[in-house]
Amino acid sequence: DAKTTQPTSMDCAEGRAANLPCNHSTISGNEYVYWYRQIHSQGPQYIIHGLKNNETNEMASLIITEDRKSSTLILPHATLRDTAVYYCIAAIYNQGGKLIFGQGTELSVKP
Amino acid sequence: GAVVSQHPSWVICKSGTSVKIECRSLDFQATTMFWYRQFPKQSLMLMATSNEGSKATYEQGVEKDKFLINHASLTLSTLTVTSAHPEDSSFYICSARVEGARGNQPQHFGDGTRLSIL
Repeated sequence: DAKTTQPTSMDCAEGRAANLPCNHSTISGNEYVYWYRQIHSQGPQYIIHGLKNNETNEMASLIITEDRKSSTLILPHATLRDTAVYYCIAAIYNQGGKLIFGQGTELSVKP
Repeated sequence: GAVVSQHPSWVICKSGTSVKIECRSLDFQATTMFWYRQFPKQSLMLMATSNEGSKATYEQGVEKDKFLINHASLTLSTLTVTSAHPEDSSFYICSARVEGARGNQPQHFGDGTRLSIL
């Protein structure tokens, strides 16, 4: 699986958009980009995933560059409850697909 | 939908005892489940892939005789930490992925089990 690189930490003001970058320059053609977040002492929560096209759901938007070497997760209106560690993972989607977690980005949403 | 339940959520045991953790997919079937371990202030580390009806696949460095995995049905996988010692104290998390007719679905995680060995 391709390795991903994320900033260690980020701050965001409540109500503003949070843009979390992820670099996956060695991603292969059949690897998806997954985003999860983990709030303290809980299991990871699925946010969104995509292959080539930009994706949007009720939680966030995922912007993937045309060369697929990087992506950005956008939380349009961050709230205090969005404070968490956000993980970007590149993995192959198949019956036995493993998710290998990196260190993630610790996002702090401040009032 | 796609709820994964773990039990117990917290367990404290004496050193030398064995502890069983259950992972259930509540509203879907999961041929494959995954077990992770997380130490304080660290990321999740994949321990093993649990396959229904067959032996689990362990990641390098994980002792299969120490961490017994059984996946006897399409909705239940268990992890047994045998002869647990204080260094096994950790946060254990399982995940499962919706398969089959539901199409392109990601993995969903349980809320984890905090294991403390005294």
